[in-house]
Order: sequence, then structure tokens, then C-alpha cells
Amino acid sequence: DVKVTQSSRYLVKRTGEKVFLECVQDMDHENMFWYRQDPGLGLRLIYFSYDVKMKEKGDIPEGYSVSREKKERFSLILESASTNQTSMYLCASSRGTVSSYEQYFGPGTRLTVT
Amino acid sequence: AQKVTQAQTEISVVEKEDVTLDCVYETRDTTYYLFWYKQPPSGELVFLIRRNSFDEQNEISGRYSWNFQKSTSSFNFTITASQVVDSAVYFCALSEYNQGGKLIFGQGTELSVKP
Repeated sequence: DVKVTQSSRYLVKRTGEKVFLECVQDMDHENMFWYRQDPGLGLRLIYFSYDVKMKEKGDIPEGYSVSREKKERFSLILESASTNQTSMYLCASSRGTVSSYEQYFGPGTRLTVT
Repeated sequence: AQKVTQAQTEISVVEKEDVTLDCVYETRDTTYYLFWYKQPPSGELVFLIRRNSFDEQNEISGRYSWNFQKSTSSFNFTITASQVVDSAVYFCALSEYNQGGKLIFGQGTELSVKP
């Protein structure tokens, strides 16, 4: 079974703090993704990576950065957390080909910024 | 531009009723992929189905069936004889060829099945 794990299910941080969200997958997938999920907006792509040390901006990258030093790990960084970044964050991974294969999701991290 | 629309925000049915979740998509590509995911109350999205744009055959998996119609740009999902365990948020998503596997999600439809 594909397994995607995220470092925390719930996280509470203060405005201005630096926040790290970690994601690890065990299926040797090339592609990894970070989304945020907000009511009424569905899932929106923040960043994705198709290889180690490679990253691409998604639809809403502002206020976020990412790091992929190893194939299995993809980190999302909030340099200075703000209250409008309170959200559910979902990590996913998939095979890396020109065709699009299904993404496998982690359980999510519910981040509250106070 | 790519877009996925799930016009039904919430649906409530009684157990054993059939229910159809609508999905309409927009894309200029001729090669693309459509997906359905289920998000139960636990929060983890579960993959249900993937179709490519060249395969318009309808698919049935147990109580689940999918109707893909390119003429109307729709990929609808039907649950037959719904059960309480089907209660979840369902997402339709679109991905275009050679786009790194990026998914464009609809807003989701929250299905509530009451006993």
C-alpha cells in the first residue's frame, strides 16, 4: 500500500512564527504536492516537485516555500505565519510520467495560526 | 483555461436511495485525465477512479458507477443504494497531459446519507 505521512495532524502556531510541515512517502514516487483545503474552495495547489531539488509554483505559492532534499520527503515552509494561513494542508505523491496518475494523499495537517 | 465545477455543494439522501454527483470540466487539451476522490470525515482523500479522455466507456464498481460524456464535458458519479458509510465529501479533478500530474479540483460535494 502507498503510504503518505505528515508530521502532525494538528498544529497551533503564533503569527510571525516559522512553520515547517513535513511529508514523507514510501512508494518511490517522483512527484510530490502540497495543497491547502478551505471550505467552499476545494483543494488548491501551493507547490509541487517532480524531482529532488526541483520545485514548481502552484496556484497560490505566496507566503510559502518548499524543500525537497530527498526523493521521499517534501517540506512546506511558512516563513512568517499569518492568520490567513490557517487551513488544512494536504500532501500527496504520484508517479512521474507525462501521463497523469492518481495522487495518494496524507491524512492532512490542520494548522491554526493565532 | 482548466476548470472543474461541482455545482452541488451539499446533497442529503436517505439510505438506499440512488444519488448522482455532477462534475463539469473545461479544458482545451485533447488529452486529459479525470478523477474522483472521496474524503470521509477522517480527512484523508481516497482515490476512486481515473479516466483518460480517449476512454468514454462507463465504468461500474460495485455500487459506484461513472458516466463520462465528452460531448457535455461531464464526468458524473452515481452511488446506487446509498449507505451511511458513503457520507463524505467527494471531489472531481482534472489533469492535463504533460503537466507534471497537477490536479485541478472542483469545490467538492458533501454527501450526507441518513439512516
